[in-house]
Amino acid sequence: DAGITQSPRHKVTETGTPVTLRCHQTENHRYMYWYRQDPGHGLRLIHYSYGVKDTDKGEVSDGYSVSRSKTEDFLLTLESATSSQTSVYFCAISEYGNTEAFFGQGTRLTVV
Amino acid sequence: AQTVTQSQPEMSVQEAETVTLSCTYDTSESDYYLFWYKQPPSRQMILVIRQEAYKQQNATENRFSVNFQKAAKSFSLKISDSQLGDAAMYFCAYRSVGGGADGLTFGKGTHLIIQP
Repeated sequence: DAGITQSPRHKVTETGTPVTLRCHQTENHRYMYWYRQDPGHGLRLIHYSYGVKDTDKGEVSDGYSVSRSKTEDFLLTLESATSSQTSVYFCAISEYGNTEAFFGQGTRLTVV
Repeated sequence: AQTVTQSQPEMSVQEAETVTLSCTYDTSESDYYLFWYKQPPSRQMILVIRQEAYKQQNATENRFSVNFQKAAKSFSLKISDSQLGDAAMYFCAYRSVGGGADGLTFGKGTHLIIQP
């Protein structure tokens, strides 16, 4: 199994509070991704990174920011959480930009 | 932008039987990759099989095989000798080959139920 760890695995937070989710990999893969999974929508890309300090927006990036200061860590921040951001968040990695991605265990975030 | 469509929200099959999950996609590209991922109740996303568009031969992994029809933009997954452990959500996914650092595009998933 690919070495990807997401933390926390579960979190409940209040509307308006900042939240940071962490993805840590031990595979030294260049590419990292954050997806959200919602019923009826499959997985949708939030942000991705193609190297240290190199990031870009995905399909559903509004309300989210990311940072990657080290190859192994990719952080997703909700600056001011809203109920619409209640979801399951997945981190994924890939060695190249055009191959399969391997996923972390997911983080279930509930905004109340 | 590419789109991936899974037209079967739910499928049910008897244990030991064969089931086929459908996936169609829309793209203007000639080279790309297609994948099937399995998500059991544990929530873990597991790669089942991959297909390179330039390869005419259909990919096979043990009991899992695909029927890739490039002209029809169709990529179905066949599961033979279904087992209880195959019960899961199955997602079809597309990825560009050239300059495609922006991840996979997923369908909405098919929930597969295995009847004992």
